[in-house]
Amino acid sequence: EVQLVESGGGLVQPGRSLRLSCAASGFRFEDYAMHWVRQVPGKGLEWVSGMSYNSGSIGYADSVKGRFTISRDNAQKFFFLQMESLRAEDSAMYYCVKDSSSRWGGELDSWGQGTLVTVSS
Amino acid sequence: EVVMTQSPATLSVSPGERVTLSCRASQTIRRNLAWYQQKPGQAPRLLIYSASTRATGIPARFSGSGSGTEFTLTISSLQSEDFAVYHCQQYNNWPPYTFGQGTKLEIK
Repeated sequence: EVQLVESGGGLVQPGRSLRLSCAASGFRFEDYAMHWVRQVPGKGLEWVSGMSYNSGSIGYADSVKGRFTISRDNAQKFFFLQMESLRAEDSAMYYCVKDSSSRWGGELDSWGQGTLVTVSS
Repeated sequence: EVVMTQSPATLSVSPGERVTLSCRASQTIRRNLAWYQQKPGQAPRLLIYSASTRATGIPARFSGSGSGTEFTLTISSLQSEDFAVYHCQQYNNWPPYTFGQGTKLEIK
C-alpha cells in the first residue's frame, strides 16, 4: 500500500523559512515523479512544484518560483520542499503527491494527508 | 498556462439521482484529464484518469468522458458517500499542472 506521510508544517512568521518532508513507502519511490500540491482550507487545489524520478526535471508554480526549492532522496525515500521568504498567502495545507509517471505528465494517483503551514506574525 | 473551469460551483442533488459535472480546458489537453474526489478533512482521491479510466477500487457508478477541451464526470446513482467536492486537473501541458476550482455536491 502506498503511504505518503508529510511533516514539518506549523506556524511561522512572514519572511521566515520552513522545510516540509514527505516519507514514502509501499512503492518504488525512485521510479516516480513527485509533487507538492497545496490547498487553502475551503478553496481549490494549487500545484506548487514537481520533480521527475531522477531529479532531472523540476518545475515550480510562478507564485513560489525563486522562494521554494524541491528535492528528493531516493535512497532514503524522502521528498522535500524548502520554503523561504514565506508570505501570508503561502498559508495552506501542503500535500505530498505521487505521479503515475516517472518523468511527469501522469495523473496524481496517491496523496498524503497533508501538513498545515500557517504564516502569520 | 491551461485554465480549467468547472461548473457548476455547487450542485444540490438527492441520493439516487444521476448527476453530471463539467470541466472545460482553455486549450486542448487531448484526454490528459483526471478527476479527484475530496471529502471534508481528507486528502483528494483519484477517481478517473485519461478522461475515462476509473482508478483502482472506484465503483462503476462513476464514469468520465470527453476529449480536447470538454469533459464530464457522471455519477449514475448518487450514494450518501458521494457527497463531496470534485476537482478536475489537466496533465497535458506542464508545468504547471492546473486544477479546476472544484464542484461541491451537496444533499438537497
